[in-house]
Amino acid sequence: DAKTTQPPSMDCAEGRAANLPCNHSTISGNEYVYWYRQIHSQGPQYIIHGLKNNETNEMASLIITEDRKSSTLILPHATLRDTAVYYCIVNRGGADGLTFGKGTHLIIQP
Amino acid sequence: GAVVSQHPSWVICKSGTSVKIECRSLDFQATTMFWYRQFPKQSLMLMATSNEGSKATYEQGVEKDKFLINHASLTLSTLTVTSAHPEDSSFYICSASGPANTDTQYFGPGTRLTVL
Repeated sequence: DAKTTQPPSMDCAEGRAANLPCNHSTISGNEYVYWYRQIHSQGPQYIIHGLKNNETNEMASLIITEDRKSSTLILPHATLRDTAVYYCIVNRGGADGLTFGKGTHLIIQP
Repeated sequence: GAVVSQHPSWVICKSGTSVKIECRSLDFQATTMFWYRQFPKQSLMLMATSNEGSKATYEQGVEKDKFLINHASLTLSTLTVTSAHPEDSSFYICSASGPANTDTQYFGPGTRLTVL
């Protein structure tokens, strides 16, 4: 079973920030939090990952709580092309296969 | 990010035939490659993990004699579905990661297999 819990779906208005929550209360000390997204009929796209510090890249920001039991992915200015299923995954790193849960279906409304 | 390609992007075959799917890391050396399968309206499921030059490690319930994986070089892994049947019809996706334990997995675009 996936070790993360995400809401099944969310709506967000175009141009606004999309905040996607994820609970991972059983995360181990050596596990990272990864975020991927999958647009229909395509392979997952890597977004961002972090261990305990907040991270930002050109796509998104990742906020991890101090106890590391939850995190939030922030898409600062959502566009229609951000409509996708977003997966939050905890994993030790590149040598381990990923366990995908059901993810959050984010729908960006015009 | 790093680029992973898959070929073919889609394939239709007759029941009983074998199909080979290629996965290539285009701009990095992939020490580890993974194969996933996704059925309609479901999440990706890990099938197997392969390290260059070693035998693949299969997840529970995945038949290793049916899904042959070869990872002969640091940039190429192949998945062969042998004696394919309609229930093998699915979306097959590979991913690859570099040599460092902290390396990120990057996914290919996927291959849609339809077995008639």
